[in-house]
Amino acid sequence: DVKVTQSSRYLVKRTGEKVFLECVQDMDHENMFWYRQDPGLGLRLIYFSYDVKMKEKGDIPEGYSVSREKKERFSLILESASTNQTSMYLCASRHPLGELFFGEGSRLTVL
Amino acid sequence: QQPVQSPQAVILREGEDAVINCSSSKALYSVHWYRQKHGEAPVFLMILLKGGEQKGHEKISASFNEKKQQSSLYLTASQLSYSGTYFCGTAFRGGSTLGRLYFGRGTQLTVWP
Repeated sequence: DVKVTQSSRYLVKRTGEKVFLECVQDMDHENMFWYRQDPGLGLRLIYFSYDVKMKEKGDIPEGYSVSREKKERFSLILESASTNQTSMYLCASRHPLGELFFGEGSRLTVL
Repeated sequence: QQPVQSPQAVILREGEDAVINCSSSKALYSVHWYRQKHGEAPVFLMILLKGGEQKGHEKISASFNEKKQQSSLYLTASQLSYSGTYFCGTAFRGGSTLGRLYFGRGTQLTVWP
């Protein structure tokens, strides 16, 4: 069965802390994505990766970075968390035929 | 780049029909449709790749009008299980946006018994 696993469902961090959100897929997909979901705004693309060590900025990359050292793992990093980064973060990987498989999401609260 | 979805919200009785629209200001390569239930991850419904393509999934179907740069999702004889937020995702041909999938803001569908 297809699986995208996000390491933490809920996190609470303080302003200025470094935050790591991990995502692992077991489908050998090349493309992986990080989205941010806020009420009324839909899913907004932060970063995506089309291969190991390859990454592209999405629409809202400011304050975020990513790492893809292995094909199955795509990490989102908040170098210095701020309160406006409180949100739901969704990771996805894409099947070659186009379908996206999403993880369960990581709800981050920054105090 | 974000596609525009309409309406923002729909409330239905079981058995009623609904249409959700998704339009883009740019030429589309493909359109995806996803449904997200409260507290869960979005789940893929279907993808349309060609203008004029229509697809069905049980009583949920969609069309893609490439000329008008829009897609519509049709839910017929709605069931309680159809409740959730529906998102369209759009991909564009080539250029700096190659490979990206942009999502609309979502349409919240509520089906009452």
